[in-house]
Amino acid sequence: AQKITQTQPGMFVQEKEAVTLDCTYDTSDQSYGLFWYKQPSSGEMIFLIYQGSYDEQNATEGRYSLNFQKARKSANLVISASQLGDSAMYFCAMREGGGTGFQKLVFGTGTRLLVSP
Amino acid sequence: EAGVAQSPRYKIIEKRQSVAFWCNPISGHATLYWYQQILGQGPKLLIQFQNNGVVDDSQLPKDRFSAERLKGVDSTLKIQPAKLEDSAVYLCASSFTSGPTGTQYFGPGTRLLVL
Repeated sequence: AQKITQTQPGMFVQEKEAVTLDCTYDTSDQSYGLFWYKQPSSGEMIFLIYQGSYDEQNATEGRYSLNFQKARKSANLVISASQLGDSAMYFCAMREGGGTGFQKLVFGTGTRLLVSP
Repeated sequence: EAGVAQSPRYKIIEKRQSVAFWCNPISGHATLYWYQQILGQGPKLLIQFQNNGVVDDSQLPKDRFSAERLKGVDSTLKIQPAKLEDSAVYLCASSFTSGPTGTQYFGPGTRLLVL
């Protein structure tokens, strides 16, 4: 069964506008973590933001925020004030296994974001 | 702080040949991961090391893939013999396991093309 689902293969947004990238997950664990990574054409996976399952506040990192809705099992990434450099693939990932040091990540299939001038 | 280093960045080989990839994690990171990312998909974990011991290699095709992490620092991933379906990007990542999030930091990857 798919554990991470990203239903948007591609998204378009104009520069300076906000965009939401969707992510839903499936787990029976009570303790888990959700991550978003950005992958530009160069190939490197760049860590953006993290949300723990017990965190009550939505995570924010600069222009990135994570809209965490636990009951709906969704962890959408919101990028405010899009920039041309935001054009890339974006991957949602889930860590299962509680707070141990063994951080196995399961990734979604990604959403390609294109920011236009 | 230096990031995760990988080499080579690109490799083209013919099927049935062997190939090896190298990874140097972020200094102080005890956990090292190798992922395979096939075009159009998210990365898939192949193997995970804690120091120089294997934690998880359940998705490693052991008949052709092998990996080692001598002295708990650098790691090499080898494919022998390579198949066409091994064409992918091989990503190395590391994490500082006692951190609050265990965030994995990735290297630039090695793009492998098997002809």
